[in-house]
Amino acid sequence: AQSVTQPDIHITVSEGASLELRCNYSYGATPYLFWYVQSPGQGLQLLLKYFSGDTLVQGIKGFEAEFKRSQSSFNLRKPSVHWSDAAEYFCAVDPNAGNNRKLIWGLGTSLAVNP
Amino acid sequence: DSGVTQTPKHLITATGQRVTLRCSPRSGDLSVYWYQQSLDQGLQFLIQYYNGEERAKGNILERFSAQQFPDLHSELNLSSLELGDSALYFCASSAGVGYTFGSGTRLTVV
Repeated sequence: AQSVTQPDIHITVSEGASLELRCNYSYGATPYLFWYVQSPGQGLQLLLKYFSGDTLVQGIKGFEAEFKRSQSSFNLRKPSVHWSDAAEYFCAVDPNAGNNRKLIWGLGTSLAVNP
Repeated sequence: DSGVTQTPKHLITATGQRVTLRCSPRSGDLSVYWYQQSLDQGLQFLIQYYNGEERAKGNILERFSAQQFPDLHSELNLSSLELGDSALYFCASSAGVGYTFGSGTRLTVV
């Protein structure tokens, strides 16, 4: 079955430390890939997306993600975390199935940042 | 402001009632998607409309229905509400690839 896995339910890092959030998907072809962030009580903000081309994509707020086809992964990274990065992070996949478009979501990773 | 407008932002209603959630897509976007975010199920795709026509269905209950009007705004109708329908309902719009989300409607069923 098509699925998106975020193995880490909760991560705590210290401010200034580096961050990597993992995302794996299971699809036959290369889908479109997204990372969204959701602050408490807020909506979903797009951090970055991958459609094709360069496998390292840059996003907003200093985030980047790398698509690795061989590992079916799209991990999110940030070299130095700020306290304001504490939020819920969602990886999402658009299977890119013709006109039948939708997002399949991971369950999210909750990020806490220690001062 | 993402350009996708959802109203109301909050809704509290009793079990058995019916509510309507409204979504105005970003200007020029023909596709509208509805998603439900609940604590136990996470984010789930409900339904997609494209230029007034239903295009795809996900995990949408029979008690739920939606439509997209000629001006492209969409409404999600939830009826015979149960406690388990309490969730955050998001609308997203798209012009092709990529999605822009509204800020959501938080529905609380008491």
